Amino acid sequence: GQNIDQPTEMTATEGAIVQINCTYQTSGFNGLFWYQQHAGEAPTFLSYNVLDGLEEKGRFSSFLSRSKGYSYLLLKELQMKDSASYLCAVCGPRGDSGYALNFGKGTSLLVTP
Amino acid sequence: ETGVTQTPRHLVMGMTNKKSLKCEQHLGHNAMYWYKQSAKKPLELMFVYSLEERVENNSVPSRFSPECPNSSHLFLHLHTLQPEDSALYLCASSPNAVQASGNTIYFGEGSWLTVV
Repeated sequence: GQNIDQPTEMTATEGAIVQINCTYQTSGFNGLFWYQQHAGEAPTFLSYNVLDGLEEKGRFSSFLSRSKGYSYLLLKELQMKDSASYLCAVCGPRGDSGYALNFGKGTSLLVTP
Repeated sequence: ETGVTQTPRHLVMGMTNKKSLKCEQHLGHNAMYWYKQSAKKPLELMFVYSLEERVENNSVPSRFSPECPNSSHLFLHLHTLQPEDSALYLCASSPNAVQASGNTIYFGEGSWLTVV
């Protein structure tokens, strides 16, 4: 099985930088995803890391350290529309049906003026 | 618009009713999924279909019955549900279920189900 931990809630100010951490334990690792989910909407894909290091995509960056079982999502120049839940998902060992994707409980981010 | 469409968006049903959730994907993907999202809990994978064949049933009670008539459509038939089944049910699709591990999943906007 997998244990995926991320903070339940975070608050940050518009224009600031926020880092959302995710730690995981898995018997086999095949990549880590971050998704964004606004209230009442579908989760949308943000990033995918399978090798150690930082992946940058505009205002969002995602970092992975496989040896530490650790990832973070970095959001820069925060905007009010960034208020959402951020889901960390770990792709585990390959089973009969392929690679299982297991989600954390999500971090609810509130951006304040 | 994510390319994955779910209907209805909201459903209220009694415990003795039979209803169905529908999902359609317009992305040309070969794999489709049902997830359950409850408050304060992680997304739970329920079923996986690859090329219309069910490849995973994640210990889901038989009161939930999936159907995949073709690679673009997925149904979840609901029968004699319990109040604790009230949740957001998300359909998703991906290019393949068993290929590369970087296979991104695309979600529909979900069907909010309330069982009374």
